[in-house]
Amino acid sequence: DTGVSQNPRHKITKRGQNVTFRCDPISEHNRLYWYRQTLGQGPEFLTYFQNEAQLEKSRLLSDRFSAERPKGSFSTLEIQRTEQGDSAMYLCASSNWRTGGVGELFFGEGSRLTVL
Amino acid sequence: AQSVTQLGSHVSVSEGALVLLRCNYSSSVPPYLFWYVQYPNQGLQLLLKYTTGATLVKGINGFEAEFKKSETSFHLTKPSAHMSDAAEYFCAVITDTGGFKTIFGAGTRLFVKA
Repeated sequence: DTGVSQNPRHKITKRGQNVTFRCDPISEHNRLYWYRQTLGQGPEFLTYFQNEAQLEKSRLLSDRFSAERPKGSFSTLEIQRTEQGDSAMYLCASSNWRTGGVGELFFGEGSRLTVL
Repeated sequence: AQSVTQLGSHVSVSEGALVLLRCNYSSSVPPYLFWYVQYPNQGLQLLLKYTTGATLVKGINGFEAEFKKSETSFHLTKPSAHMSDAAEYFCAVITDTGGFKTIFGAGTRLFVKA
């Protein structure tokens, strides 16, 4: 169990550029979640996958955001045409819904995005 | 839709004093309830959880929380605060009407004074 890994840890970009974040979950976990966290707020749900299927996407999520989880392993979160309001910490978490530990999330350390 | 309200964005206690962090939830069906902790520059980690059964649940580092259905509350307590408890604490809920996704409160930052 090497934990949830996120890359890059920090990203500074100019407004209008595209950025991509990668998340490698705990290997046996079938669910993978993306959250966004801004200063002074709790994690805000963005989307989640069960295996390779994207089961839900937040209605608050702009069409500029897209996530994939090919083959049910790692996941990527892409933000197109970034805006300053996208500046936040992007958190990835995984869980094993099959075998107890109901709903417990294991988080990575996050990817901090700064849009200039 | 389910939601979580944490009362008090900041709580300050003296070392050795009781810690009480308040959490109320809104759910039309029995929830699963969690407390997560985030230490500076670290990812969130599970502190404790309530799924079914005993309403008083114990977690790591001496923390415990009690599920009170009548009050829709899940307050976090620790009898004696330690300096190392200084962190941000998040209450969270899962219900099966929410697609089994975890919804977090805004968080409470705990300060511990020497």
